[in-house]
Amino acid sequence: AQKITQTQPGMFVQEKEAVTLDCTYDTSDPSYGLFWYKQPSSGEMIFLIYQGSYDQQNATEGRYSLNFQKARKSANLVISASQLGDSAMYFCAMRGMFSGGYNKLIFGAGTRLAVHP
Amino acid sequence: DTEVTQTPKHLVMGMTNKKSLKCEQHMGHRAMYWYKQKAKKPPELMFVYSYEKLSINESVPSRFSPECPNSSLLNLHLHALQPEDSALYLCASSQDGARPTDTQYFGPGTRLTVL
Repeated sequence: AQKITQTQPGMFVQEKEAVTLDCTYDTSDPSYGLFWYKQPSSGEMIFLIYQGSYDQQNATEGRYSLNFQKARKSANLVISASQLGDSAMYFCAMRGMFSGGYNKLIFGAGTRLAVHP
Repeated sequence: DTEVTQTPKHLVMGMTNKKSLKCEQHMGHRAMYWYKQKAKKPPELMFVYSYEKLSINESVPSRFSPECPNSSLLNLHLHALQPEDSALYLCASSQDGARPTDTQYFGPGTRLTVL
């Protein structure tokens, strides 16, 4: 069965430092997409970054990069130069040819990140 | 522009009330989604519309009734809800939902409280 695992319920980091949020996944499908979302206390889910299963290079978007290790089935999010506004819940998610087709996005349990001044 | 809007932001309703949640996107997306999120949990998929047709219903109770009047609008009609239905309801849209690259963009959500 397809599954996303985030083993860090909470993390903290000092402002301006880098932090890595862990995500491992399990799927037998060859074609899938991996996503990271940020959810501040306001509730909105903000799309951060995407990695395709066939992508050779790790995805980057500004201060966000995705450390994709396909053989280990991991897709860790790296945030460089943390800012106070990065304090939020972060969800790793996977999409693929599950029951119902590509429409279904499955989420991990989330990691709450606190950035300290 | 990756904006999905939802109204209202907050809703308090009694168990006998009928209310509706609204979602709108103007990105030309053809897939739209409703999710339910309880506190400190990930979102749970409720419904998916693809090209204005209901394609996925995740065994949601009939007191929740989705409607997709056109490709830009998605409604969720609520009737005879229970207190345990109190949650954040998130709407999302994506290009067409057919590929694993299809990114879902979420709205700000409606915080629903059922008394």
